Amino acid sequence: KQEVTQIPAALSVPEGENLVLNCSFTDSAIYNLQWFRQDPGKGLTSLLLIQSSQREQTSGRLNASLDKSSGRSTLYIAASQPGDSATYLCAVRRNSGNTPLVFGKGTRLSVIA
Amino acid sequence: GAVVSQHPSWVICKSGTSVKIECRSLDFQATTMFWYRQFPKQSLMLMATSNEGSKATYEQGVEKDKFLINHASLTLSTLTVTSAHPEDSSFYICSARDFNGDGEKLFFGSGTQLSVL
Repeated sequence: KQEVTQIPAALSVPEGENLVLNCSFTDSAIYNLQWFRQDPGKGLTSLLLIQSSQREQTSGRLNASLDKSSGRSTLYIAASQPGDSATYLCAVRRNSGNTPLVFGKGTRLSVIA
Repeated sequence: GAVVSQHPSWVICKSGTSVKIECRSLDFQATTMFWYRQFPKQSLMLMATSNEGSKATYEQGVEKDKFLINHASLTLSTLTVTSAHPEDSSFYICSARDFNGDGEKLFFGSGTQLSVL
């Protein structure tokens, strides 16, 4: 059974810092990996999706990498802003079709102005 | 990207009543939808997989008679929490599968916060 772990569980940084969030998964046979942002009491915002054949994806100040063989992914946030404060969730999917995403518990990020 | 509409966004009900949550794919047909539950400060846990026109597949530990799922059309799946109790208070969120020429992706609704008094 796939298990997804995110470290750290919580992180507080001053505005302007670059930071890295970590995600690991136990079964490297994945279809894709996705990073989400969740604000308190809200739904999910998809940030980046990496297919199993890809090594990284970039969007603005965000960069996600994938090392499938070692079961790891990182989300890099450059020049953090208070508006980046949220919970960041990593999720993996084993196959397409009727296969759901399996989520980690998330990293709660606070960016202090 | 594709849009998934989930309604209501929040609901408060008395213990023993039933609550229906709707999940609609607005601009695509979703043969498969997934229902998740999230308790405070926990991650999203899959409850069931819903396929259009067939019975839902429930995860271990999820009572199928308590959490009724109906996926009668390609754009609508509903989750009914029957005889709700305070321990059912949680954040429920649906996800719909969209397959097009660019490949396959999962899109999420905005979630429903259920509070049972």
